[in-house]
Amino acid sequence: ETGVTQTPRHLVMGMTNKKSLKCEQHLGHNAMYWYKQSAKKPLELMFVYSLEERVENNSVPSRFSPECPNSSHLFLHLHTLQPEDSALYLCASSPQGGGTDTQYFGPGTRLTVL
Amino acid sequence: QKEVEQDPGPLSVPEGAIVSLNCTYSNSAFQYFMWYRQYSRKGPELLMYTYSSGNKEDGRFTAQVDKSSKYISLFIRDSQPSDSATYLCAMSADNYGQNFVFGPGTRLSVLP
Repeated sequence: ETGVTQTPRHLVMGMTNKKSLKCEQHLGHNAMYWYKQSAKKPLELMFVYSLEERVENNSVPSRFSPECPNSSHLFLHLHTLQPEDSALYLCASSPQGGGTDTQYFGPGTRLTVL
Repeated sequence: QKEVEQDPGPLSVPEGAIVSLNCTYSNSAFQYFMWYRQYSRKGPELLMYTYSSGNKEDGRFTAQVDKSSKYISLFIRDSQPSDSATYLCAMSADNYGQNFVFGPGTRLSVLP
């Protein structure tokens, strides 16, 4: 596999469920990102990890919990979500985390919360 | 006022047309500007990257930045049906990827 992969591609969950999204990058990058993409709204940066350390948390609700066990893997643990959390969740990676880095995006996980 | 504004479209053009996609922004500190293309059911991919004002050309694509007007454009010449996608602008004031601000995207359809 090459690039950035995400699993699952689609997820439907109830508000009381607990699930996890997985992202894996095969590019040797040091920074990884979680974004939320809702219809007709800008991409919202949720979390940034650089060298496995969390750098940024843009006031995301605690029902979203990231985990970065190593520089190739990133998880987003979900619990007690709300219907308004339904969106496309995108993972990205970049070589160093700088603005001149190209961010490479995965295909996303389409999440529906019932 | 939203930090980055972009006409959501959809924009439909015939094959071969010149397409102009635009973003306006309010933060005069932005100096790194990017255009991403996102095909349906795929993640965004970086198309063009420019720093500060001026033009940058890459094949059929030209990115233009006018910092005095807080306005950036992406031009597509000889548009093809394969250019049909959503185009996102993004910008940042500094050199850190976590500070990118994205526009909502413009959906483009190029009709054969």
